[in-house]
Amino acid sequence: DAGVIQSPRHEVTEMGQEVTLRCKPISGHNSLFWYRQTMMRGLELLIYFNNNVPIDDSGMPEDRFSAKMPNASFSTLKIQPSEPRDSAVYFCASSLGYTQYFGPGTRLTVL
Amino acid sequence: KNQVEQSPQSLIILEGKNCTLQCNYTVSPFSNLRWYKQDTGRGPVSLTIMTFSENTKSNRRYTATLDADTKQSSLHITASQLSDSASYICVVSEGNNNDMRFGAGTRLTVKP
Repeated sequence: DAGVIQSPRHEVTEMGQEVTLRCKPISGHNSLFWYRQTMMRGLELLIYFNNNVPIDDSGMPEDRFSAKMPNASFSTLKIQPSEPRDSAVYFCASSLGYTQYFGPGTRLTVL
Repeated sequence: KNQVEQSPQSLIILEGKNCTLQCNYTVSPFSNLRWYKQDTGRGPVSLTIMTFSENTKSNRRYTATLDADTKQSSLHITASQLSDSASYICVVSEGNNNDMRFGAGTRLTVKP
């Protein structure tokens, strides 16, 4: 298995633009997590899905952030409009049971 | 105040030496505690996960301990290697809703 796949790996955009991050979980996993990591705040859980259903989105910073999981093999995290403070590395992870497997991350820079 | 405190913030050791990283938490009720290793520029990788009833778990040269009474965990690395240089993150899950609380991590550097 290729592991969790994220795209793009790097994204540079201007303030106000829409950004869409993509994630393909490991086949057979039933939970998917979106995290954000910055130097200041460390790793933060944004939202997680179980069997494609959002379970807890209390970590989503504000209405500019939205996440979808239309099927078991794909999820998106959208930021609209983006702001400089959204600059961070965004990780997707999937699991079947306790152990989570992280993707390589998307490094987002908002100018 | 963060509910998961890790110490030290950073650590430098020589190759071949052992070291111990600490994680103290106030999360209650407790569900489980995980240790992750994160190499620079990569996603975290799970090392161990312990539930309330487990007080030690090993994964190759990594040994995690848990004292649920004092709410402390440690990660002991034996015979360190250069590849152990990474950030080590402690994550504690709450019992009721499985909310995860993250430590800020310990940055370990192993020098030759």
